[in-house]
Amino acid sequence: AQSVSQHNHHVILSEAASLELGCNYSYGGTVNLFWYVQYPGQHLQLLLKYFSGDPLVKGIKGFEAEFIKSKFSFNLRKPSVQWSDTAEYFCAVNEGGGTSYGKLTFGQGTILTVHP
Amino acid sequence: GAGVSQSPSNKVTEKGKDVELRCDPISGHTALYWYRQSLGQGLEFLIYFQGNSAPDKSGLPSDRFSAERTGGSVSTLTIQRTQQEDSAVYLCASSPQGSSNQPQHFGDGTRLSIL
Repeated sequence: AQSVSQHNHHVILSEAASLELGCNYSYGGTVNLFWYVQYPGQHLQLLLKYFSGDPLVKGIKGFEAEFIKSKFSFNLRKPSVQWSDTAEYFCAVNEGGGTSYGKLTFGQGTILTVHP
Repeated sequence: GAGVSQSPSNKVTEKGKDVELRCDPISGHTALYWYRQSLGQGLEFLIYFQGNSAPDKSGLPSDRFSAERTGGSVSTLTIQRTQQEDSAVYLCASSPQGSSNQPQHFGDGTRLSIL
């Protein structure tokens, strides 16, 4: 079975600091990788996704993530965070390939608090 | 356009009662998923519907949980004889066809509290 680990439960930063949130998964086959964000009082929204091709993917609001297959990792980064980035971030994985479907396995989530 | 709609947004009920949670997916989306978000457990898959195919029920935690999807659109998740450990936020998501490379669109969830 797949599992997803997010290393940090709660990250606290000041505005303009750089961000990196770790995500590791355990599955040896082809995977699709996602980062979702949940702002306070809102529903889960897709931040970015990786299916194939360039392992460095860019998402909304200046976020990016790098897929490193050898490390089973898909870390999320942002060079300079803003107060509005305060939210909970979820890494998620599903099995790629033509016969699979989209059931997601999520990490535990990382709460990001950005102080102005 | 309209997103995934879930109702009720909050539900408080006594232990032992049955509850029904509703999900209305995005129009035209054939794939529908239910997840549960609870303290200490994170987000867990419950059940998946795709068109007229038999649902994948592999994530349902017990036989007290069931779900149906009528007419390929609206879905209802039913929990019978609720227990305190059922307290969680129940999330519904939909995607156009259910392929693994299609992002899922989530609703706001139903926060279920069992007294």
